[in-house]
Amino acid sequence: NAGVTQTPKFQVLKTGQSMTLQCAQDMNHNSMYWYRQDPGMGLRLIYYSASEGTTDKGEVPNGYNVSRLNKREFSLRLESAAPSQTSVYFCASKAGSNTEAFFGQGTRLTVV
Amino acid sequence: GQQLNQSPQSMFIQEGEDVSMNCTSSSIFNTWLWYKQDPGEGPVLLIALYKAGELTSNGRLTAQFGITRKDSFLNISASIPSDVGIYFCAGLSAGSYQLTFGKGTKLSVIP
Repeated sequence: NAGVTQTPKFQVLKTGQSMTLQCAQDMNHNSMYWYRQDPGMGLRLIYYSASEGTTDKGEVPNGYNVSRLNKREFSLRLESAAPSQTSVYFCASKAGSNTEAFFGQGTRLTVV
Repeated sequence: GQQLNQSPQSMFIQEGEDVSMNCTSSSIFNTWLWYKQDPGEGPVLLIALYKAGELTSNGRLTAQFGITRKDSFLNISASIPSDVGIYFCAGLSAGSYQLTFGKGTKLSVIP
């Protein structure tokens, strides 16, 4: 049982480059999330998708776009990476509104 | 927006000691969750609390959902080296899809 799978695990980008972080879950969950984690800041929500076909902004959406490709997959895109986007990115999924979230292992992104 | 205050920010304890950490909120939550994050890994769910006043145990871990629904605590008894990591609380409001996270408590266990 894979749970939540994120790819890639590590990435180094140059300022201005674009890339897409991939996330897939095999738990048939309705809701999916993207968080970033920075030292001393905890986990901050970037975007989420409450259900297939919907996406909403979280606390820190600027500089990011998302796509809920289908029920299983939720991708995060950086169109023009900036050093301030150096962070660890976590994808998570939940079955419904009042349930616990399960996390992937993270993508460590460095923008130079 | 909602804010969660988690304390302490970090702790150094001797192996075998008990640990207590807590979270307080400026607003009411319907669900409280406690996660642990090991270095280089994603957060892993430890305990989920769904009812005010609920006290739930998972091995050496015990967590409580405060009566006011604005706080929760996590206790770890007889700590061991593998308890090292960052512990996060998270809250969910009724009908909300967004988890609000505390900033974490970094636990170090001295053998």
